[in-house]
Amino acid sequence: DTAVSQTPKYLVTQMGNDKSIKCEQNLGHDTMYWYKQDSKKFLKIMFSYNNKELIINETVPNRFSPKSPDKAHLNLHINSLELGDSAVYFCASSQGWQADYGYTFGSGTRLTVV
Amino acid sequence: AQTVTQSQPEMSVQEAETVTLSCTYDTSENNYYLFWYKQPPSRQMILVIRQEAYKQQNATENRFSVNFQKAAKSFSLKISDSQLGDTAMYFCAFMKQGGGADGLTFGKGTHLIIQP
Repeated sequence: DTAVSQTPKYLVTQMGNDKSIKCEQNLGHDTMYWYKQDSKKFLKIMFSYNNKELIINETVPNRFSPKSPDKAHLNLHINSLELGDSAVYFCASSQGWQADYGYTFGSGTRLTVV
Repeated sequence: AQTVTQSQPEMSVQEAETVTLSCTYDTSENNYYLFWYKQPPSRQMILVIRQEAYKQQNATENRFSVNFQKAAKSFSLKISDSQLGDTAMYFCAFMKQGGGADGLTFGKGTHLIIQP
């Protein structure tokens, strides 16, 4: 069983569209994250979330929003997609904010905006 | 905020050789964790090894070991008896104790190529 799963793995869409990426974890973790990996492979945190608190990286445009229907899911919604949003998006999870053992990552979603 | 620096964008070694990847970091924290993640062409991020800053003993996982120098803020990864499957991007990452808004802070990565 995949510990952190993301769907879709690939997403090609036109500028201006709204899209969602789903993330589910079956590890029983209570804290989830979204990271963006740019074309130079640099990974940067976008959101950190548990059932009580959402932390947003100040550089993330408000067109991006995380939505969590329950503890096992943290979906990423993107409105009005722009060319610069093209990247690989990773979901991750940990047990609590402490995350002493690091995060468990999904396999990523490659988003291409045309 | 913390910063993580990996000064080697790319390295290439022959199979079975030993290779060391460099990582330095900057922080004012005293308690933190350091990690090495591997990203093969499949794109999956895989945890290779972790180190607790309060432990002086260097972490080891099979062929992977680290050289942690807290005073120098250095955290290098040594891969012994390298294998073709070790070909991947390797990311050094920092997290302060308790996590926090910065989460895991990554370096820019080193692309390691193992030649047959």
